[in-house]
Amino acid sequence: ETGVTQTPRHLVMGMTNKKSLKCEQHLGHNAMYWYKQSAKKPLELMFVYNFKEQTENNSVPSRFSPECPNSSHLFLHLHTLQPEDSALYLCASSRRLAGNNEQFFGPGTRLTVL
Amino acid sequence: AQSVTQPDIHITVSEGASLELRCNYSYGATPYLFWYVQSPGQGLQLLLKYFSGDTLVQGIKGFEAEFKRSQSSFNLRKPSVHWSDAAEYFCAVGAESNYQLIWGAGTKLIIKP
Repeated sequence: ETGVTQTPRHLVMGMTNKKSLKCEQHLGHNAMYWYKQSAKKPLELMFVYNFKEQTENNSVPSRFSPECPNSSHLFLHLHTLQPEDSALYLCASSRRLAGNNEQFFGPGTRLTVL
Repeated sequence: AQSVTQPDIHITVSEGASLELRCNYSYGATPYLFWYVQSPGQGLQLLLKYFSGDTLVQGIKGFEAEFKRSQSSFNLRKPSVHWSDAAEYFCAVGAESNYQLIWGAGTKLIIKP
């Protein structure tokens, strides 16, 4: 595997379910990100991790819970979601946490909340 | 307030024709500018970036962009589009001191045969 991988690619869940999204980067990067992508809106940065430590939580509701066990893996745990949480969730990584570092993106998980 | 505006939600271009996608930004610091492309079912891929120096930058897939400080713009161009260029294009702005990129809402490029 190369680059940034995400599983599952598609997820349908009810409002009472608990599920997790997984991201893995094979690039040796130190920073990892979760974004939410909704149609016709700019990407929304949700969480940022640098060397496994969370550095950003952009006022994300507590029904989204991130976990970063090491610099290569990032999870997003989901519980009691709302229909408006339906979106494409993108994981990204970069070598350093800086504004001039290219971010490498995974293909995303398309989440549908019923 | 910091913002990135991509005025065109959709653009339709004939195959072989030239392309220009617009990006305007409002940013307090010296900006780092990026264009990313997202093909259907894919994540975002970096096309090109501008940090300093020559204001005309070349990227992958035959794309180029020009930074115009006086107009706060960073427009993306390609002289002749191919059907495989059909995708959504995102402009983003960052700074050395701020890792959080400010993203535009994207422009969807449709190619007519």
